[in-house]
Amino acid sequence: KQEVTQIPAALSVPEGENLVLNCSFTDSAIYNLQWFRQDPGKGLTSLLLIQSSQREQTSGRLNASLDKSSGRSTLYIAASQPGDSATYLCAVINYGQNFVFGPGTRLSVLP
Amino acid sequence: DTEVTQTPKHLVMGMTNKKSLKCEQHMGHRAMYWYKQKAKKPPELMFVYSYEKLSINESVPSRFSPECPNSSLLNLHLHALQPEDSALYLCASSQEGAGELDTGELFFGEGSRLTVL
Repeated sequence: KQEVTQIPAALSVPEGENLVLNCSFTDSAIYNLQWFRQDPGKGLTSLLLIQSSQREQTSGRLNASLDKSSGRSTLYIAASQPGDSATYLCAVINYGQNFVFGPGTRLSVLP
Repeated sequence: DTEVTQTPKHLVMGMTNKKSLKCEQHMGHRAMYWYKQKAKKPPELMFVYSYEKLSINESVPSRFSPECPNSSLLNLHLHALQPEDSALYLCASSQEGAGELDTGELFFGEGSRLTVL
């Protein structure tokens, strides 16, 4: 059974810092991995989708990498801003299965 | 248009009420999902519809009844709920159905915040 963990559970940084969020999964035979952002009381916003054949994806200040063999993905946020404060979730999907979500990392970027 | 629309945004109901949550997408996606999310927890899958047919029911109590009238619409009918059913209910869609090799990006709506008194 696929299990997804995220480290750290919470993170507080001053504005302008570069930061890394980690996602680990136990079954490396994933089809794709998706990073989401969730603001309090809101739905999930898709940030980046990495398919199993890809190693990384970039969107603006965000870069996500995938290492299937080690069961890890990282989300790199450059030059963090207070508006980046949210919960970040990763989700993986295996062939013939549904998405499995990690517990999320709560990020606070302080002005 | 990458939008999934959910109504209502907020719903308060008593334990004897019958209400419905609605979800709509116009991206041509053939898979639609209902998730339940409690505070500070990740979303939990409830139901999956693939090509308008219920493909997955994650052992959800019968007081939750899903319906997919067409490929763009998904409803969740609520009856005789309990206070512990209070949560954020999220609808999502993806291009292909569950179990298909082409399962792609998952798109979520803003959610319906349900409070059961």
